[in-house]
Parts: sequence; structure tokens; C-alpha cells
Amino acid sequence: DQQVKQNSPSLSVQEGRISILNCDYTNSMFDYFLWYKKYPAEGPTFLISISSIKDKNEDGRFTVFLNKSAKHLSLHIVPSQPGDSAVYFCAASSYNTDKLIFGTGTRLQVFP
Amino acid sequence: DAGVIQSPRHEVTEMGQEVTLRCKPISGHDYLFWYRQTMMRGLELLIYFNNNVPIDDSGMPEDRFSAKMPNASFSTLKIQPSEPRDSAVYFCASSLVGGTGNEQFFGPGTRLTVL
Repeated sequence: DQQVKQNSPSLSVQEGRISILNCDYTNSMFDYFLWYKKYPAEGPTFLISISSIKDKNEDGRFTVFLNKSAKHLSLHIVPSQPGDSAVYFCAASSYNTDKLIFGTGTRLQVFP
Repeated sequence: DAGVIQSPRHEVTEMGQEVTLRCKPISGHDYLFWYRQTMMRGLELLIYFNNNVPIDDSGMPEDRFSAKMPNASFSTLKIQPSEPRDSAVYFCASSLVGGTGNEQFFGPGTRLTVL
């Protein structure tokens, strides 16, 4: 059973526009959320994270929003650039574990 | 720093053969994680170690899978015998600390194809 779900397998956005990637989770014990980015033939790399005590975290063009009541988080990329084309994984963890639970990923394509 | 190193990068084998994947974590990292990536299930945690000791192997799919970490700088994931459904990309990751939100650093992965 997927505790972390990314229901959109792919997303296509024009350069300069906003990209919004969504993630839903089912486990209310999750208290920390991360986004990883993966290019082809490479391993995932950490992008941005958010603690459950916050509802927003911003780092340059990347912002993550957390809606605890809806068990939903989203990653906003503004403005989108062709170099952002990659697979994005949402991950979650809880305070009493070392494990990260990953979603299935969303493939973002930014076209000129 | 060289990052997490995995070998081989690609492995093609026939059903029934033994496969060994190798990983060298980042020096000083106490945690090592093995993941498998498939289209259907995304990144699944198979097993992880803390200070060379296996902590949680609940993600290991079957007894055909085994993992070891004989020292702080080396780990192996073995599949014996291999089956076509084991075809996937296998990642190794390491982290300095555990606990909530530990940032994990991933290797480039091993793409395994079992014919």
C-alpha cells in the first residue's frame, strides 16, 4: 500500500511558467517531507524539505507547501527552466524512524 | 568527496544466476540504505544499516535477496537465484545521521536486467 502517492506520472510545462507537482500521504504520523530530483542515469538528489510545524518553505525558485489537514503537499517551481526537466520524488518520514517513504515520482518536462 | 559509489552500473544476467551489487557509502556516514526503483512502485526501501548492523529488512521481497555490510565502507546486495521480475534499478544511499528528515545521498544506481 502506497503511503505516499504522486498521482500524476508526468507533467509538461512551458519555460517561464509555473510547475506544480503534487503529493498525497496517508500516514498521519509523518512529520517531515522532502522532495528529491532525479536526472536520467543518476541517483536522486535532495531538493527541498519541510517540517510538519510549517506550511511553507521557500528556496529560490522552489517552494513547498504543506496542508496537513488534507495530507497534501505540493512543489512549486517558478519560473520553470528546461534544466528542471527531471523526475521528482516526494518522500516522507516520521519522528520514530530512520526511513524515508518515497512516492512513485512525477516526470516533469519543461519545453521552450 | 567522491559521493556514493555503486558497481556495476549495468548488469545483464540470465534467470537463475547469482547477482551481486556493490556499494561504497560516503566516508563518515553511519547509515546505508538499499532501494529498488520500478515504474509501478517508485523507490522502495529494501534494507538499511546503522553502523554496519542491519536495522530493518522488512522491504526485502524474498529470501532470494540478502544484504551485508562487512565494514563501514562496503555493502553488497545479492540476489540468488535471480528472476526476470527482479529487473529494476537498484540504488544505494547513505546518510550522516538517522531520524526524521535525514538527508540521504544516493549513488548512480545499478540497472539490472534479468533475461
